[in-house]
Amino acid sequence: DTAVSQTPKYLVTQMGNDKSIKCEQNLGHDTMYWYKQDSKKFLKIMFSYNNKELIINETVPNRFSPKSPDKAHLNLHINSLELGDSAVYFCASSQVTSGRYNEQFFGPGTRLTVL
Amino acid sequence: GQQLNQSPQSMFIQEGEDVSMNCTSSSIFNTWLWYKQDPGEGPVLLIALYKAGELTSNGRLTAQFGITRKDSFLNISASIPSDVGIYFCAGPDGGSQGNLIFGKGTKLSVKP
Repeated sequence: DTAVSQTPKYLVTQMGNDKSIKCEQNLGHDTMYWYKQDSKKFLKIMFSYNNKELIINETVPNRFSPKSPDKAHLNLHINSLELGDSAVYFCASSQVTSGRYNEQFFGPGTRLTVL
Repeated sequence: GQQLNQSPQSMFIQEGEDVSMNCTSSSIFNTWLWYKQDPGEGPVLLIALYKAGELTSNGRLTAQFGITRKDSFLNISASIPSDVGIYFCAGPDGGSQGNLIFGKGTKLSVKP
């Protein structure tokens, strides 16, 4: 069974469109994340979310917004897509325990191409 | 902000060779992590280090948490073709939700 799944795997769209990427985890984790991996393979945190708090990386444009319908899902909405948004987006989840790092499990990624 | 400097950026080696890569930081980390990303997949945790000086193995992989808490290295012994991928070091940013800061990765290519 897939632990963290994302859909779609590939997304090709025109500049200016609005799109969403879905993420689901079946691990019972309390915290979910979105990362962006650019063309140079650099991975950067965009958002982290549990049922108490949303933490937003200050560099993320407000065209990006995470939406969590329930504990097992954290979807990524992107408005007015720009060429520079082309990247691979990874969802991840973990069970956060105070004082100790717990493994983050990553989804397979969504390759977004903006034309 | 915190940054992780990872080297080398890429490596091309022959099957059977040993590999070493490292990661340094300008600030102290209390946890060091090593992830591997296979082509077309998400990163997968290889080794987690929680204590300065700790040396941990996972099969042919060995990682160490530097004494200064500002560096870590990963060794792969007797490389095989399936070792190909990008290896990332990472560390938590110290926040409440365990956000990770990643190095820029070491891309490993193994020639059979």
